[in-house]
Amino acid sequence: DAGVTQSPTHLIKTRGQQVTLRCSPKSGHDTVSWYQQALGQGPQFIFQYYEEEERQRGNFPDRFSGHQFPNYSSELNVNALLLGDSALYLCASRGQMNTEAFFGQGTRLTVV
Amino acid sequence: AQSVTQLDSQVPVFEEAPVELRCNYSSSVSVYLFWYVQYPNQGLQLLLKYLSGSTLVESINGFEAEFNKSQTSFHLRKPSVHISDTAEYFCAVSEGADYGGATNKLIFGTGTLLAVQP
Repeated sequence: DAGVTQSPTHLIKTRGQQVTLRCSPKSGHDTVSWYQQALGQGPQFIFQYYEEEERQRGNFPDRFSGHQFPNYSSELNVNALLLGDSALYLCASRGQMNTEAFFGQGTRLTVV
Repeated sequence: AQSVTQLDSQVPVFEEAPVELRCNYSSSVSVYLFWYVQYPNQGLQLLLKYLSGSTLVESINGFEAEFNKSQTSFHLRKPSVHISDTAEYFCAVSEGADYGGATNKLIFGTGTLLAVQP
């Protein structure tokens, strides 16, 4: 079992650009959540997808959007990047009968 | 609104000494509680969780945490630490989901760096 996989592992973008991050959930999991972890901080919840719909959303602007595909994989899109968007972006998955979330290794986004 | 407080940003400790990492939470409803560990340049790994039942929960690598409802705490302890325990530890809380019956979003504390010295 490959667990939760994220791509790419590192990314450098210029302010104002757009970025897409990808996540494949652990086998058997159907719910995907995204978190932003700024340097020296705890992860902050962005949103959660289940059955291809956004089910919950944290306190993030509309520049942050997502998608879930029929195979349960997910994308996180960020438009009009700001320097403050530089962070580690973590994807977590779980199944409906699971009470714990399994995290991927994250994508390190640097905005210059 | 839920929140998690980890009062200690860093805890230095000598190898084989005991350690306690503190976590307090606030919530108006019943919650699930978790401790995650993050090694450098890696994602989060679940260390242990409290859902219901016995208030003392244990991990396979010697850590334990006790849920104290009256003090709204979930402190993490280990009687004897190793160099390999050096990592960032995050306490998290989650309410029950409003759909599907599974846990909802996680609210994390700011983390505690456990620095084990030889």
